[in-house]
Amino acid sequence: RKEVEQDPGPFNVPEGATVAFNCTYSNSASQSFFWYRQDCRKEPKLLMSVYSSGNEDGRFTAQLNRASQYISLLIRDSKLSDSATYLCVVNVPLSTGFQKLVFGTGTRLLVSP
Amino acid sequence: GAVVSQHPSRVICKSGTSVKIECRSLDFQATTMFWYRQFPKQSLMLMATSNEGSKATYEQGVEKDKFLINHASLTLSTLTVTSAHPEDSSFYICSALQGNYNSPLHFGNGTRLTVT
Repeated sequence: RKEVEQDPGPFNVPEGATVAFNCTYSNSASQSFFWYRQDCRKEPKLLMSVYSSGNEDGRFTAQLNRASQYISLLIRDSKLSDSATYLCVVNVPLSTGFQKLVFGTGTRLLVSP
Repeated sequence: GAVVSQHPSRVICKSGTSVKIECRSLDFQATTMFWYRQFPKQSLMLMATSNEGSKATYEQGVEKDKFLINHASLTLSTLTVTSAHPEDSSFYICSALQGNYNSPLHFGNGTRLTVT
């Protein structure tokens, strides 16, 4: 099983729609989770951290489900400008005591008029 | 805050030459920086983890003699692509960790390398 998995999409939605992405992780000891957004030919930009209790930032809501080992990102009232690739990042503890940050392959979102 | 500057943003070089890319954390100290490569329509691929004052840790399949990484200070890491070939043409991105691994990564704006 991959350390971090995402549905690559693309998710095609009309403007105004609500869309949700999931990201599953394999290491139950992971403690930190993030969502990034990457536009074509640009660097990833931090969208939001994911907290245990769930958190919201405007139209974006992130949630963590430890029991099923996934995080989710919900986008409400989609805008054309939300079209991008959404990457999840998971902190993975290593047996050596060190840690690493693992990226999912990203989910592509296309919002159409 | 948490700005990472990467330079150059774009470079075109001839086959066989070397190219150096700089990654600087402008307003924080980064003991750990990461270098990624991304080919068109593909996901980010971690090349190496750069730790200040020590040798970089390379991912499997990445040639350490071809991709030289130096992290001489807490605010600067460099990636040198030696003897570049057309297949090295890609988008190279650095990121810096502000704090520990529970902190988010901050990315540079990337370097688009074209080898002719």
